[in-house]
This record gives sequence, C-alpha cells and structure tokens, in this order.
Amino acid sequence: KNEVEQSPQNLTAQEGEFITINCSYSVGISALHWLQQHPGGGIVSLFMLSSGKKKHGRLIATINIQEKHSSLHITASHPRDSAVYICAPTFNTDKLIFGTGTRLQVFP
Amino acid sequence: DGGITQSPKYLFRKEGQNVTLSCEQNLNHDAMYWYRQDPGQGLRLIYYSQIVNDFQKGDIAEGYSVSREKKESFPLTVTSAQKNPTAFYLCASSPDRANYGYTFGSGTRLTVV
Repeated sequence: KNEVEQSPQNLTAQEGEFITINCSYSVGISALHWLQQHPGGGIVSLFMLSSGKKKHGRLIATINIQEKHSSLHITASHPRDSAVYICAPTFNTDKLIFGTGTRLQVFP
Repeated sequence: DGGITQSPKYLFRKEGQNVTLSCEQNLNHDAMYWYRQDPGQGLRLIYYSQIVNDFQKGDIAEGYSVSREKKESFPLTVTSAQKNPTAFYLCASSPDRANYGYTFGSGTRLTVV
C-alpha cells in the first residue's frame, strides 16, 4: 500500500526562524507536490518537483528520489506563513496521495 | 484570471437529503477531481474525470455521484446513501492526467444535521 508520512505534525516557530518540513514515501514516484492550505480551507500548489531542488521566494523544496524523501524549507519565516503544508506524491499510477499535513504556526 | 470556483463555501443539509456541490473551472483543463478531507486525514479521492462524458471512481466513491457534461463543470452529488457526509470537499483540475500541474478550488464545507 502506498504511504506518505510527514513530520512534524505540528510546528511552532518565532518569526524569522528557518523552518523544515519533511516528507517520506514508501514506493517510487513520478513527481511530488507541496501544497499550502490556509485556515479557510483553500489549497495552493507551491511546488511540483521530480528531482533536485526548486526555489520560490523564501520557499525551497528538495527531493531525493533514491532516499524517497522530500523537504520543504521556509527561510525567514513570517506569521503569514502559518498554514498547513501538505506533501502529495504522484505514484506511478498517476494518482496523488496526500500526507496528513504539517500545521505551522509562526508567532511575531 | 483563470481558476476553479467552488460554491457554496458553506452548506447545511438535513440528513437524508441529496445535495450537489458545484465546481467550475475556466482553465481549459481536461481532468477534474473531487476530494474529501476529514480532520487528521489526508485528502481522499472520490471521483475523477479525464474527459467530458467520462468519469472514474476514486477510493471512496460510495454514496457519491458525479457528471461531466461540460469540460468546465464537474458537479458532485452527495446522496443520502453516504453514511458520513459531513466533511470538507475540494475540487481540483489539471491539464491532463499525465500533467501534474494541479489547481485546487477553495472548498465547500458540508454539514449534515
């Protein structure tokens, strides 16, 4: 059975801190998404990557296909970064499997 | 701007009633999806459609029905057969099933009383 694990489940940070959220999956994938869900519920796609590293503003996503692991980093965190971050690998069946998310709270 | 519109944002229904959730996209995407989100769980796939007039069951299709009469629209009906309908429902689309550029809607929170 395909499986996705995210850690930590909950994360609290002070403004300015460097944040890392981890995602591990059990079988081979063709791509992996990092998503952001705000309290209102809507989801925004942050990254889609199948190898290496991508950067957008203060967000950096990396993936190691051999180790079946991806990380999302937030540099200089800000209270507006407070949200749930979801890892969603696309397995070879073209099906997205969603992690349960990491709830991030950044305090001023 | 292109995007996905889900309506309404909040919906209340009495137990035993069918209810239809709307999902419209103007992105010209071929594929559309419905997901359900429950507290503490990842999103789970209800139904998906890769092309007009065709759709496939996802992991938790029981108690739900869909239609895809137009490319832009993929409404989801939560029937009285769904035992635990109270949940947050998300619609998504992608250019095609092999292109992974997903766009998500803002969701509909359904409460059945």
